[in-house]
This record gives sequence, structure tokens and C-alpha cells, in this order.
Amino acid sequence: EVQLLESGGGLVQPGGSLRLSCAASGFTFGSYAMNWVRQAPGKGLEWVLSISGSATSTYYADSVKGRFTISRDNSKNTLYLQMNSLRAEDTAIYYCAKAPGSYPEYGWFDSWGQGTLVTVSS
Amino acid sequence: NFMLTQPHSVSESPGKTVTISCTGSGGSIASNYVHWYQLRPGSAPTTVIHENHQRPSGVPDRFSGSMDKSSNSAFLTISGLKTEDEADYYCQSYYSTNWVFGGGTKLTVL
Repeated sequence: EVQLLESGGGLVQPGGSLRLSCAASGFTFGSYAMNWVRQAPGKGLEWVLSISGSATSTYYADSVKGRFTISRDNSKNTLYLQMNSLRAEDTAIYYCAKAPGSYPEYGWFDSWGQGTLVTVSS
Repeated sequence: NFMLTQPHSVSESPGKTVTISCTGSGGSIASNYVHWYQLRPGSAPTTVIHENHQRPSGVPDRFSGSMDKSSNSAFLTISGLKTEDEADYYCQSYYSTNWVFGGGTKLTVL
């Protein structure tokens, strides 16, 4: 059974940094692309970043380009999201989501974690 | 930019059938697959339809997906509504290295 467990969320001041992790199990982690999707309070889902299974390709939404970095450690079955220069509008539940293949261009998400809440506020 | 538009909310009675629309703008919705996700408060999102009409294992056949090129729209239909189907539903498509979501539809089963 695929399991995705996010951690690392919390309260951070504007301009601060935070690193989220997503521990994966139940599948061959390095064979699948992974993604981060967020949901701001009272808002809809927003795709944020994607990374291929081998980490050779990454994609970023314009809203986070230059501030957020996606990475993965296939030896630890873990996905990361490094968030810098955080803004109030980054406040959201951040979900890690698995793609059905090794390339993000498969274009959809077949498994999701429960999410971790990031609050950016002074 | 390619966008997907959904109705903000729909409601229907248990046992009935409801259809949620997802209309594309800025491009042809038929150019790429449409996928549907269910979000219940406090639960992880789940995929209910992928690639226009495919149902993941474990999703009941009460859920079905379709597309109408003439209206540039995709549809999620849920038949035999149950109270447990009450949730937010999002359509999503991949368009030019951008994963686009609709704004979501709140389904109330009353």
C-alpha cells in the first residue's frame, strides 16, 4: 500500500525558511515522479512543484520560482521542499503527491499524503 | 493561459445522480487528459477518475468521467449518491508543463 507522510510544517515569520519532508513507502520510490500541491485556507488546490524519479527534471509554478526548491533522496525514500523567503500567501496545507510514472509529464497524481500545514505570519 | 472552471457548489439527494462540469478556456480540453480528485475535510485527497474516464481500483463504479469537445468540458458523474460522497471535487489537467486545477466544486448530499 502506498503511504506518503508529510512533516515539517509549522508557524514561520514572513521572510523565513522552512523545509518540508515526505516519507514514502509501499512502492519503488525512485521509479516515480513526485509533486507538491498546496491548498490555501478557503481556496482550491494549486500545483507547486514536480520532480522526476531520477531527479533530472524539475518544474516550478511561477508563484514559487526562485524561492522554493524541490529535491529527493531516493536512498531514503524521501521527498523534500525547501521554502525560502516565505510570504503570507504561502500559508497553506502542503500535500505530497505521487505521479503514476517516472516522469512528471504523466500529468496527474495517483496517491496523496495527508498534508502538513504551513502558516506564515508575524 | 489554460484554465479550468467548475461550479462553486452542487447539491442533490441521496440515491440521485449528480454531474459536475469542468470547462476549459484558453485551449482545447480534449488536448490532454482530465483527472478528478475528491477532498474530504481531515482526509488525504483521493483520485476518483484519471485520464478522462478511468477509475482507480477501489473507486466504486458509481463514479464516471466523460468529455464533450463541443462544449470544451469534462464531467464527473456520481450516481446512487451516498452521504459519504459529500466532499469537494477538483478537476485537473496537464498543459505545457503546468498542472492546472479547476476551482473545485462542493458537493452537498442532503
